[in-house]
Amino acid sequence: QKEVEQDPGPLSVPEGAIVSLNCTYSNSAFQYFMWYRQYSRKGPELLMYTYSSGNKEDGRFTAQVDKSSKYISLFIRDSQPSDSATYLCAMSGTSGSRLTFGEGTQLTVNP
Amino acid sequence: GAVVSQHPSWVICKSGTSVKIECRSLDFQATTMFWYRQFPKQSLMLMATSNEGSKATYEQGVEKDKFLINHASLTLSTLTVTSAHPEDSSFYICSAGLEAEQYFGPGTRLTVT
Repeated sequence: QKEVEQDPGPLSVPEGAIVSLNCTYSNSAFQYFMWYRQYSRKGPELLMYTYSSGNKEDGRFTAQVDKSSKYISLFIRDSQPSDSATYLCAMSGTSGSRLTFGEGTQLTVNP
Repeated sequence: GAVVSQHPSWVICKSGTSVKIECRSLDFQATTMFWYRQFPKQSLMLMATSNEGSKATYEQGVEKDKFLINHASLTLSTLTVTSAHPEDSSFYICSAGLEAEQYFGPGTRLTVT
């Protein structure tokens, strides 16, 4: 069983929709949670970083962490065609240590 | 935001030659840098963890004599692919750690002919 599970999709939504992306994990030692966006043939871009449980909002993006359920989410409001990319969740147990990644979810937002 | 650069962005080399890829943190100092490899439509595969001033830690299955990593300063790490073969063709990405966050470079596409 993988330490981090993420549905690879593909996920296709109309422009303006609310997108929900999720990851589950098995290692209770994970405390640092990140979401990255990766466009084709580019390096991943850090979107959201959360420490421990809770919610964090940045513009159209909201990240949620539920450590009791070992479940993290990324919500994208008012999705745009420019949001079409692969979204990767990543997590680590200690600050600055290696990240464990999900498989990535491929998202397409249709105009 | 924190910016990480990589050079070159793409390179084509002949089988048997060596290629060096540079990773720089432009506006912050990174004690730790990471090197990844990514195949099409797959997630990132960690190759090694590089700490400034010390030897890199390689993941299981990664040949340390083939993938030489040097972390010469707090802003520069290099990956040298020695005696490259066509199966080394891939997308190589570095990241630099800033406290708990990791920032990625744009990647280097290596093609070995």
